[in-house]
Parts: sequence; structure tokens; C-alpha cells
Amino acid sequence: ETGVTQSPTHLIKTRGQQVTLRCSSQSGHNTVSWYQQALGQGPQFIFQYYREEENGRGNFPPRFSGLQFPNYSSELNVNALELDDSALYLCASSLRGRYGYTFGSGTRLTVV
Amino acid sequence: AQKVTQAQTEISVVEKEDVTLDCVYETRDTTYYLFWYKQPPSGELVFLIRRNSFDEQNEISGRYSWNFQKSTSSFNFTITASQVVDSAVYFCALSEAGANNLFFGTGTRLTVIP
Repeated sequence: ETGVTQSPTHLIKTRGQQVTLRCSSQSGHNTVSWYQQALGQGPQFIFQYYREEENGRGNFPPRFSGLQFPNYSSELNVNALELDDSALYLCASSLRGRYGYTFGSGTRLTVV
Repeated sequence: AQKVTQAQTEISVVEKEDVTLDCVYETRDTTYYLFWYKQPPSGELVFLIRRNSFDEQNEISGRYSWNFQKSTSSFNFTITASQVVDSAVYFCALSEAGANNLFFGTGTRLTVIP
């Protein structure tokens, strides 16, 4: 059983640019959630995808968007990057209706 | 509104000491789930335990134990005979029934000194 894998591991972008982060869910899981973890803080929910549609969203602006693919993998896109977007972005997969979330190791994004 | 408070920002203990990490939560729901996760320096969140609001039995798993008390809205985590490998940031989290996300506390950084 493979776990959740995220790519890339680290990324440096310039303010105003756009970024795409990728996540492969754990085998057997059909739901993917994305979290943002600023330094010294707990993860904050960005959104969740199920059946290729957004299924709930936290308090994040529309420039944070996502996709889910038929194989349940997912992308997080962030447009018009701001310095405050610098954080660890964590992906979690789960089976809808179950409360077991498996997290990946995250992508550390630095915006300069 | 939901809230998770981990008042202890950082804790240091000497190896083999016992340590308790506190977690206090707020929710208006009667059905909810509580979690503990461990985050080592590598970054991934490692699942430790999930409890639902109807199960107040304490649980022990090896050196780990959890004390869930609805009367005080607390879900505390104790590590017995701590080891250096226990050094990490520990997060308590809440999920309300029907919600599709975890609401995390700010974490407690545990350092176990050899």
C-alpha cells in the first residue's frame, strides 16, 4: 500500500508568479484535502476534492484553486503569489465517509 | 465555532521521563472526532489516534496513552518513559461530524534530551 506522495519537495518562487503543487493519494482513497502550514503554526484547511469537484473550502481566496483527476491524484494551484504564501503545503488523502487521513511529507514553498 | 487549544508551546524533558501534552477543544456539535498527530522534522503528519465523542474510554498503546474527558473538553496525551525519537511537534485536531476537514491546534514541540 503506497502512501501519499507530494512533489516537488521544495520550491522557490517570486512574488506574483504562479505555482502548481502535486499530490498522489494513498491507494484506495478517493478524497484529497490540502492544508497550508505556516512556520510555527498548525495546518489550516484550504479545500477538499471528491469526485473531481471541490467539496468544501476553508478561508482562502480564489487564487488558491485545485484539481482532482480520475485516478484521485490532485493539484493545488496558487496564482499571484504573495510573500505570506510561504509555507509547508500538505496533502491528505482519505476515503469519503471515513475519518482517517493520511498525510504526505509536504511541499515547502518559499516566495521571495 | 470550533477551536483547539494547545497551551504548551514547547516542552523539554530528559529521556525516560513521562510527559503529558494538553489539548482543550471547543465545539457545538455533539458528534465529533479528536485526533493526535506527530510531525517529525521531515514534515509529514503521522497519525497517532482518533477518538469519537461517544467513546470516553482511555486508551493505551505501548508507551502512549490518551485521556479523553468530555466534562472538561480535554483530550490529553501522555508519553511514558520518553525517548529521543519522540522529539517532534505534536498536534491535536478536531473534526465535527459531517465536516470534511481537520481543525488543528498550534502544536506542542517536544524535545527529549538524552
